[in-house]
Amino acid sequence: DAGVTQSPTHLIKTRGQQVTLRCSPKSGHDTVSWYQQALGQGPQFIFQYYEEEERQRGNFPDRFSGHQFPNYSSELNVNALLLGDSALYLCASSPDRGGYGYTFGSGTRLTVV
Amino acid sequence: AQSVTQLDSHVSVSEGTPVLLRCNYSSSYSPSLFWYVQHPNKGLQLLLKYTSAATLVKGINGFEAEFKKSETSFHLTKPSAHMSDAAEYFCVVRAGRSSNTGKLIFGQGTTLQVKP
Repeated sequence: DAGVTQSPTHLIKTRGQQVTLRCSPKSGHDTVSWYQQALGQGPQFIFQYYEEEERQRGNFPDRFSGHQFPNYSSELNVNALLLGDSALYLCASSPDRGGYGYTFGSGTRLTVV
Repeated sequence: AQSVTQLDSHVSVSEGTPVLLRCNYSSSYSPSLFWYVQHPNKGLQLLLKYTSAATLVKGINGFEAEFKKSETSFHLTKPSAHMSDAAEYFCVVRAGRSSNTGKLIFGQGTTLQVKP
């Protein structure tokens, strides 16, 4: 049973560029959440997608946007990259019903230079 | 608003000695609390969860935590540390009173060092 798959694992971008990160949820999970983990910090909630809609959003600017596809996979897009966007981006999937079941992926390490 | 505070940023123990990682929480209602572990260059792994059942929660790899409402604490313990326990540990509270998929609010993390 595959867990949460994220791609790519590492990425280097230049300030001002745009980036797209991808996440495939665990089988049976229909909700996808994204977190940003800066170096030496705990993960911070970016947003959550369910039924292809953004259901919850954390305190992140509009440069951060996302999408969920009919197969429940998800993308995180970041526009106009800043040096401060350098972080590990974690995707977590969960079932909307049926008890606690967050599963995290291994993350995408984004470096902005 | 809910929050968690991890009281130690770094804990160092010798192999075979007990581990104690401290966490205090703030919540206006009975919280759902978790401990996660993150090994270098790896994702987050759930160690254990408290969701208002038994106050002493047993997790994987010999870890356990006790929910103490009077002290607003949820400390993580293990009787005997192994070298493989060296990692970053996060205390987490789930936002939302009854939401199964409420966002997770993480503490700042505690780095556990295990010396041979």
